[in-house]
Amino acid sequence: DAKTTQPNSMESNEEEPVHLPCNHSTISGTDYIHWYRQLPSQGPEYVIHGLTSNVNNRMASLAIAEDRKSSTLILHRATLRDAAVYYCILSGGAQKLVFGQGTRLTINP
Amino acid sequence: NAGVTQTPKFQVLKTGQSMTLQCAQDMNHEYMSWYRQDPGMGLRLIHYSVGAGITDQGEVPNGYNVSRSTTEDFPLRLLSAAPSQTSVYFCAVRQLAKNIQYFGAGTRLSVL
Repeated sequence: DAKTTQPNSMESNEEEPVHLPCNHSTISGTDYIHWYRQLPSQGPEYVIHGLTSNVNNRMASLAIAEDRKSSTLILHRATLRDAAVYYCILSGGAQKLVFGQGTRLTINP
Repeated sequence: NAGVTQTPKFQVLKTGQSMTLQCAQDMNHEYMSWYRQDPGMGLRLIHYSVGAGITDQGEVPNGYNVSRSTTEDFPLRLLSAAPSQTSVYFCAVRQLAKNIQYFGAGTRLSVL
């Protein structure tokens, strides 16, 4: 399975945008880029996924580099409830999710 | 976590005891899987199933058994618990045609 690299932690302020980076230089052509988040003491929660084009949904936006070797999850206006561990995951034909350690996002009031 | 129910929420076992962690879904999704999460770590896949009667191993299957006799249920069995199996266990389900996994709330297991 292709690997992803994320910063261990990031910090932002409430109501400001947050850009969470992810590097995946060994991504294959069939790998989807997934983002999940895990709030304290809860199971992971789906955020967004994409293949080649940028994606938007009600929770976030996903910006994918043209060469697909990196991507950025964008939270447009962070709230305190967005404080969580964010996982960037690649999944290909095997359709299994392999979680790394993720980025712990802290939101300051 | 609507649709994926894990029981129990908490369990304490002694070394060598056996137990079954239950996972039930009402979403009619084909794919079900079990993960474990150790403190400060990401999730690791234990076993998964793409449908009733079909199971396969993930990254860390040793010490765990699974079976899938129905679409709704995917129990995880620990035959002889060890302290190394102290962890939080998550069940997840997914439609095979779609890329979104839905996770249960987890079972926190301590093996003394």
